[in-house]
Amino acid sequence: DGGITQSPKYLFRKEGQNVTLSCEQNLNHDAMYWYRQDPGQGLRLIYYSQIVNDFQKGDIAEGYSVSREKKESFPLTVTSAQKNPTAFYLCASKDRGTADTQYFGPGTRLTVL
Amino acid sequence: QQQVKQSPQSLIVQKGGISIINCAYENTAFDYFPWYQQFPGKGPALLIAIRPDVSEKKEGRFTISFNKSAKQFSLHIMDSQPGDSATYFCAAHHSGNTPLVFGKGTRLSVIA
Repeated sequence: DGGITQSPKYLFRKEGQNVTLSCEQNLNHDAMYWYRQDPGQGLRLIYYSQIVNDFQKGDIAEGYSVSREKKESFPLTVTSAQKNPTAFYLCASKDRGTADTQYFGPGTRLTVL
Repeated sequence: QQQVKQSPQSLIVQKGGISIINCAYENTAFDYFPWYQQFPGKGPALLIAIRPDVSEKKEGRFTISFNKSAKQFSLHIMDSQPGDSATYFCAAHHSGNTPLVFGKGTRLSVIA
């Protein structure tokens, strides 16, 4: 059963805590992406990685960190430096080859208490 | 600088009517234009996509119209149904693994 999995589906965090959101894909895609979506808002790019051990900042990288140690995994850490972390977080992946389709995971809803 | 402008922000259509969502882009290097559909609490899913070598692509009730000279493309949903109620995002991309550039989304409500 191929696809992108994100865990957990819901996450609650106290202010000042770091949390890590998981994203795993078994599509053998080279590129992976993290987006943030706020209510009624579009998709804002946080970080992306085109290949293992390499990643680039997106439009709103401040307060977030990522790693790409394995092709299938691209975890996102929301640090205490992120002032307003409550949002819906979406992970996506895409093949490096000729296919352009970007596939999204089911998302993680993070709420800061 | 927003590279893909999407309108309207929200849209209400009667059941059986035609829903039309428009997008305009600036970067002439874009060569792939997908539309995504997102239901509340779910991740976006690819609905239909077009490349600039054709002016129209149809899949079932969904059609993309593409105007290269005007740098515009639109999604038409024929015979709109309540189950089509969702948020729709247009996007644009040029070759490689650079991220898609998304419009800000259109919230479609189809009422009976």
